[in-house]
Amino acid sequence: GEDVEQSLFLSVREGDSSVINCTYTDSSSTYLYWYKQEPGAGLQLLTYIFSNMDMKQDQRLTVLLNKKDKHLSLRIADTQTGDSAIYFCASTGGGNKLTFGTGTQLKVEL
Amino acid sequence: DAGVIQSPRHEVTEMGQEVTLRCKPISGHNSLFWYRQTMMRGLELLIYFNNNVPIDDSGMPEDRFSAKMPNASFSTLKIQPSEPRDSAVYFCASSRTGETQYFGPGTRLLVL
Repeated sequence: GEDVEQSLFLSVREGDSSVINCTYTDSSSTYLYWYKQEPGAGLQLLTYIFSNMDMKQDQRLTVLLNKKDKHLSLRIADTQTGDSAIYFCASTGGGNKLTFGTGTQLKVEL
Repeated sequence: DAGVIQSPRHEVTEMGQEVTLRCKPISGHNSLFWYRQTMMRGLELLIYFNNNVPIDDSGMPEDRFSAKMPNASFSTLKIQPSEPRDSAVYFCASSRTGETQYFGPGTRLLVL
């Protein structure tokens, strides 16, 4: 089945850019998503990209998709302490099912 | 717009007891998903429904777990009997078919 991988941890200084990376295996994925989970909370949809796009920008968030390498990244510009959370990459294989990565814990230091 | 609603938010029970988790999807969404999140296994899809019909229950761990969706606005996930290894956060999510999934706040279950 589909496999989605992420690095487990990222630490950045406030004001720097953060880049969270993700790789997936299912080349038929139609949508790729980024969700954010704050401590004790549910998953909040941050952004998504359709598989025929290379890039999507939404305010401080930039998503880059390299379909050839099956690589997805999320860049957060001007990272703030409120961005500290776990970020999940997810892909849709066939049908409705989402496969999630393990999550990347982002720590923003002052 | 109310999002996905789950109840209870927290549940503490003893091994062997029956546990029922509840979910109300977003109005107009016709797909509903139950996930389990643990430190060891991350986020796992347990089962999903389309138009109230279970489509894929391959993630349901064993017969102790069952899920129902009697109508478009309500679903339950039941564990009977519960075991300590069932302790996790259980999320419900809903979507229009093939579109973005929106998650509820989760139910934190602790089985002693």
